[in-house]
Amino acid sequence: GQQVMQIPQYQHVQEGEDFTTYCNSSTTLSNIQWYKQRPGGHPVFLIQLVKSGEVKKQKRLTFQFGEAKKNSSLHITATQTTDVGTYFCAGRDYGQSFVFGPGTRLSVLP
Amino acid sequence: DAGITQSPRHKVTETGTPVTLRCHQTENHRYMYWYRQDPGHGLRLIHYSYGVKDTDKGEVSDGYSVSRSKTEDFLLTLESATSSQTSVYFCAIRTQGTEAFFGQGTRLTVV
Repeated sequence: GQQVMQIPQYQHVQEGEDFTTYCNSSTTLSNIQWYKQRPGGHPVFLIQLVKSGEVKKQKRLTFQFGEAKKNSSLHITATQTTDVGTYFCAGRDYGQSFVFGPGTRLSVLP
Repeated sequence: DAGITQSPRHKVTETGTPVTLRCHQTENHRYMYWYRQDPGHGLRLIHYSYGVKDTDKGEVSDGYSVSRSKTEDFLLTLESATSSQTSVYFCAIRTQGTEAFFGQGTRLTVV
């Protein structure tokens, strides 16, 4: 079945440094979503990408969908302590269900 | 948060006992989901529903059953809880735009 992988599993950065997490699917995706989960909280939807090569920005966050629609990335510029949490990608392979990656846990040191 | 309420929020139960978790939504969304979250595994789909009495299995459905007799309620039952079912359980709904909104989660411990 479809598998979604994310790297790295953990990332520790100094406040102000950039951060990138990568998401890779074993199958071609119809679309991909990104979620953020704060410690002790629930996942919160950030964005959805649909088109091959699509790039979307939300303030300091840049999301990219690969040309082959099998990978995606989330880049945070100049991290802040409010960026702490786990970032999940979720891919859908033209079915009804999304498969979540294992997540990347981000720690930001002040 | 799309009006999603999970109950209970925390539960400790003994091995072999039945457990039912409830997800309640107030906005009439068609699709509802149950996930479990474990370290290193992210969110794994247990079961989902696409309407009243319409349900289907996810990737980790063994040991779980679900029911949806009303649009607003989606119940997850562990018929005979095992220690491997200790986890955090999240209910979610999907809107027309396909983004998922999650409940606050239920932390279940099976001892």
